[in-house]
Amino acid sequence: ETGVTQTPRHLVMGMTNKKSLKCEQHLGHNAMYWYKQSAKKPLELMFVYNFKEQTENNSVPSRFSPECPNSSHLFLHLHTLQPEDSALYLCASSQVWPGLADSRGTDTQYFGPGTRLTVL
Amino acid sequence: TQLLEQSPQFLSIQEGENLTVYCNSSSVFSSLQWYRQEPGEGPVLLVTVVTGGEVKKLKRLTFQFGDARKDSSLHITAAQPGDTGLYLCAKTEPNDYKLSFGAGTTVTVRA
Repeated sequence: ETGVTQTPRHLVMGMTNKKSLKCEQHLGHNAMYWYKQSAKKPLELMFVYNFKEQTENNSVPSRFSPECPNSSHLFLHLHTLQPEDSALYLCASSQVWPGLADSRGTDTQYFGPGTRLTVL
Repeated sequence: TQLLEQSPQFLSIQEGENLTVYCNSSSVFSSLQWYRQEPGEGPVLLVTVVTGGEVKKLKRLTFQFGDARKDSSLHITAAQPGDTGLYLCAKTEPNDYKLSFGAGTTVTVRA
């Protein structure tokens, strides 16, 4: 138990469906992340929220829409996905110190167990 | 483009044997982290190294950070089935808290 929960753990959806993934962190962190993990590929950072503001969008298609209503909750809304979007979607959180001059070393990112998404 | 290269991609050994996995980059890291991910779970941090030449030990695991801060290795002594998992390295760049991951090494330890 890392303090980061994700629901659902498994999701099968058709290409025309709309679904949402939910992440909640109980660690008091101020930054949350969505990653995509596909077979034999590195974890791909999708979105970063820092103090509830989106600070990163790594050229993610618009069919993925993140939402961060507060620093403890993060959603990923899915719409008209493609079969190649099937993957493990991981949420993570960490404590980020703004204005930190010396960035060597980084606060630990705590990951949730992921949602295994299959798009038919 | 893969920023971090991990090798080997797969490793299968017998219980009690030793193993080493590698993480390499063409550019200098600010810091490097090693994670282990078990099936059905997210990655869990094992160690963070920040100083060139640094060696850290965690029970039977030894982590080494290269002098030039462009490579790292993880050595497991007398591997056990519980060491089975995907070992990931991740780096940070100066003035950036985000992580960039390698593709990982899948380690299987047979009883």
